Amino acid sequence: GAVVSQHPSRVICKSGTSVKIECRSLDFQATTMFWYRQFPKQSLMLMATSNEGSKATYEQGVEKDKFLINHASLTLSTLTVTSAHPEDSSFYICSARAHRQGSTDTQYFGPGTRLTVL
Amino acid sequence: GENVEQHPSTLSVQEGDSAVIKCTYSDSASNYFPWYKQELGKGPQLIIDIRSNVGEKKDQRIAVTLNKTAKHFSLHITETQPEDSAVYFCAASFGLGTYKYIFGTGTRLKVLA
Repeated sequence: GAVVSQHPSRVICKSGTSVKIECRSLDFQATTMFWYRQFPKQSLMLMATSNEGSKATYEQGVEKDKFLINHASLTLSTLTVTSAHPEDSSFYICSARAHRQGSTDTQYFGPGTRLTVL
Repeated sequence: GENVEQHPSTLSVQEGDSAVIKCTYSDSASNYFPWYKQELGKGPQLIIDIRSNVGEKKDQRIAVTLNKTAKHFSLHITETQPEDSAVYFCAASFGLGTYKYIFGTGTRLKVLA
């Protein structure tokens, strides 16, 4: 149980285009989903927290107009990188917190999406 | 700000030996401490977690210990195998009601056959 998927796994795009990344909880309902960014050989940096049906909360320094987050249902959150530039190239990972009794603190992570902007 | 320190950054052990990774957190309100294993090009996978009301937890070859007074928690892997080679991240919850984590900087574990 507690499986999170991401799509696509890899994407290459041209500078100036927008890219959408989907994060789905496959076998549980996710009250909260988180979006992280990870640079090579570095730790995970939290970008934003999204709760179903409400606006995302962005961490300091993260441009909300550039990284649009939509959490339309209890099983789906999307991250759209708008007008992508080479410096946006990174590994983007989502996680989901289960909406259930017991260990509601636990975040289950997706497999990540490698974004390369040319 | 709050942070989590993790040591060592790299660790090489012989197959069959034990590996220990240590983390120190700063937020006294942290009450949940998960450990994740991340293989190259993949997302982190939860391997064990511990809550602040427990001092130790074990799951087969993996154990975690927590010292709330010292704000230390450690991951112990016994009888290491080559497939244990990966990057391990500790994390601590922070921000009451936010369910957010602060991650450690990661430890690259190499198990030598």
